[in-house]
Amino acid sequence: DTAVSQTPKYLVTQMGNDKSIKCEQNLGHDTMYWYKQDSKKFLKIMFSYNNKELIINETVPNRFSPKSPDKAHLNLHINSLELGDSAVYFCASSYGESGELFFGEGSRLTVL
Amino acid sequence: GNSVTQMEGPVTLSEEAFLTINCTYTATGYPSLFWYVQYPGEGLQLLLKATKADDKGSNKGFEATYRKETTSFHLEKGSVQVSDSAVYFCALRARQGGSEKLVFGKGTKLTVNP
Repeated sequence: DTAVSQTPKYLVTQMGNDKSIKCEQNLGHDTMYWYKQDSKKFLKIMFSYNNKELIINETVPNRFSPKSPDKAHLNLHINSLELGDSAVYFCASSYGESGELFFGEGSRLTVL
Repeated sequence: GNSVTQMEGPVTLSEEAFLTINCTYTATGYPSLFWYVQYPGEGLQLLLKATKADDKGSNKGFEATYRKETTSFHLEKGSVQVSDSAVYFCALRARQGGSEKLVFGKGTKLTVNP
């Protein structure tokens, strides 16, 4: 059983399109995150939700909109995709803000 | 703000060589420190952690000691294996702007040759 699962694993799309990445965790955690990893492997937090409430919202264009329908899910919707959005997006979860983070396998987004 | 600086890679070693990956941090207060590892094609996994000064984290032959006086958390392993080839991330967690945040270094790619 995969603890943190993301779909799709690969996504290739054209500039200007809108796309979503889904994340689900079955660990019973109450905090979920989205991280962006660029081509140089640099990891930057984008959003964090605790019990469906947004607690971290870094400086991210408002084309990116996270949605947490329940504690086990945190989806990322991206409008009007740009070339610079190409990256690997990682979902993670933890128990509380202080807990160990468990990461999904990543979703590689390529914008052409 | 809080930040982590780790040595730039890539690092290439032969099997059974000694490994050190340097990591220093800047933080207000008393952060917790971590090393995460990312194997090819996978997400990050926690390798080890230390939550207070002088604590030593260890796992799978890797060790790191939380040194407050030098603000460092260097990763070491006495004898690396080919299976240790991965990207290693140093990270700190501290309260910033009303919430706890995990801040990562830029990662160091390690390749171990047989």
